[in-house]
Formats: sequence, structure tokens, C-alpha cells
Amino acid sequence: GQQLNQSPQSMFIQEGEDVSMNCTSSSIFNTWLWYKQDPGEGPVLLIALYKAGELTSNGRLTAQFGITRKDSFLNISASIPSDVGIYFCAGSSGGSNYKLTFGKGTLLTVNP
Amino acid sequence: EAQVTQNPRYLITVTGKKLTVTCSQNMNHEYMSWYRQDPGLGLRQIYYSMNVEVTDKGDVPEGYKVSRKEKRNFPLILESPSPNQTSLYFCASSRLAGQEETQYFGPGTRLLVL
Repeated sequence: GQQLNQSPQSMFIQEGEDVSMNCTSSSIFNTWLWYKQDPGEGPVLLIALYKAGELTSNGRLTAQFGITRKDSFLNISASIPSDVGIYFCAGSSGGSNYKLTFGKGTLLTVNP
Repeated sequence: EAQVTQNPRYLITVTGKKLTVTCSQNMNHEYMSWYRQDPGLGLRQIYYSMNVEVTDKGDVPEGYKVSRKEKRNFPLILESPSPNQTSLYFCASSRLAGQEETQYFGPGTRLLVL
């Protein structure tokens, strides 16, 4: 099946620093999604991307849909302690196939 | 309040004893899906459903069954659970995956198969 490579696996940063993580795929996706999961909870959608080249922001978060349709990145600016959690990318081929493939996640730790 | 509920939240069972994990959403969503989450593997889709009586396999469907007799409910059935099905399970729903709609996830069901 389709696979997503998400990196880095984990990050330890100081409060106020910017963060960047990315996902690459062996195949083309029509939709890229970024989720955050807090401990003991289900993932929550942060940003959704539907067009190649699209750059979308949600507060301090910015995500881009790669031109090749095989990659996406998520940036978090001026990190704060509540940014701690696991961030997942997910891709979908869309159309008649709504299977979502998730990356393995990036564990973010923010030191106050 | 818009939500996805799962029951039970925690379950310990033995190999071979059939079990069902229920999932219900109150948002009239067409799309529902089941995932399992394992350390180092992230979330993997088990089954999904586009609407009532329409279900399809995800990436890891072996050992699982689902049904969608009503729009709001999407139970996950393990006919003969095995220890490798010990995992954290999430149900999710949305109006349509891939469109500009948020996918809502349930709180998770932690399953231990002895």
C-alpha cells in the first residue's frame, strides 16, 4: 500500500523556537492533512490542503502542499508549551478512494 | 455537542472471544472510519464507510469486520481476537473525506488481547 515517510520522528525545542516537519510519499496524493494528537485523545485536524502548491496558515501553523503532490511540510512558529504532542501528516487519493494514509508521527516536546 | 463516541474505552479480553467496539456519531456524517494506532507505526486505517451499507477495506483489514446498517453507527467486530490486535483503536467521521470538512475522531478504545 501507499506509505508516508514523516520526519523527524521527534523534536526537543525551546519555547519560542520555530519548528518544521515534513512528509514524503512514494505516490501522488490529492489531499494532504495535518493532525495533532494530545496524550489520551484522538487526533484533531489542524490544516487541510487540496491543491498542489497551496500554502495555508492556521494561526502560528503554516502548511504547504508540494508541487509534485508527493510531499508536504508543516511549520510552527514561536512555539509554546501547549504545542507539545504528536503531529501526524495524512494523505488521501480522493476521488472514489477515500482511504487515508497516515505518517508515523512527529513527537514534539517544548521546553519552557 | 458534536461528537464521536466509542465504547468501551478500555477492554481486556482473551484470544478467540468475539468482541464488538461500538462507534456512534451525532453529526449526520456520511463518512466513517476505523484506525488502529501502534507505537512506531502511527495510525493505520482498518475499514471505512462512505455511507449506509457501503464499506471498504483500509490498509490493515485482516481480522476485522465492520457493518454500517445505520448512518450514525459503525461498529468494529473482532470475530476471533488475537494478541497482535492489542492496540489503541480510533473511530472517525466526517461529511466526506478529502473535502473541506473536519474529520472528527473519537476518544479511542484501548484493547488488550491476552
